Amino acid sequence: ETGVTQTPRHLVMGMTNKKSLKCEQHLGHNAMYWYKQSAKKPLELMFVYSLEERVENNSVPSRFSPECPNSSHLFLHLHTLQPEDSALYLCASSSLIQGISYNEQFFGPGTRLTVL
Amino acid sequence: RKEVEQDPGPFNVPEGATVAFNCTYSNSASQSFFWYRQDCRKEPKLLMSVYSSGNEDGRFTAQLNRASQYISLLIRDSKLSDSATYLCVVNMNGATNKLIFGTGTLLAVQP
Repeated sequence: ETGVTQTPRHLVMGMTNKKSLKCEQHLGHNAMYWYKQSAKKPLELMFVYSLEERVENNSVPSRFSPECPNSSHLFLHLHTLQPEDSALYLCASSSLIQGISYNEQFFGPGTRLTVL
Repeated sequence: RKEVEQDPGPFNVPEGATVAFNCTYSNSASQSFFWYRQDCRKEPKLLMSVYSSGNEDGRFTAQLNRASQYISLLIRDSKLSDSATYLCVVNMNGATNKLIFGTGTLLAVQP
């Protein structure tokens, strides 16, 4: 399936590196999300973008910096990460329609990040 | 208390068995409810929405009890392909579609 794509699929980085995760959706959605999934923990919502505007920031450390240049693309810029940031980072997209409380979120395959 | 709580399992059941998963949520203002399925090393995918009146999709039945803040999923006639982690999910904010996930319940269907 190619509705939501993420690159790279795997990333190993040192604590002093700077890297970016990329997400692209081909579904015509107007909202995009970043989630973190660590072992034995539930998916944690990090950021929500609606019409390229950040509408939710779940107390995420500043070493994670999101960017949404248009409704199809979402980036997560990483710098000076810690080993405990190693996790699966999932991107999702959905439509946000006023008056409708939920529209299905479609997830990308994720980027498995290891911080050394 | 966790916002969404599930028994992590694993639930090991034989093919053809009926299995039930339960989930509780802490915020009574939660707006909508879902079950997602996540296969090993794959992304989550929506299995079904959950309504107060109960809803059925083939072998799967979901139920919501708002008074008890409790959600259930029943799988009948289990197949090997049902083996996965089942995530209980609550929508906290309709405006931003903010989802809160449980840790998931692992189901292993044995031949």
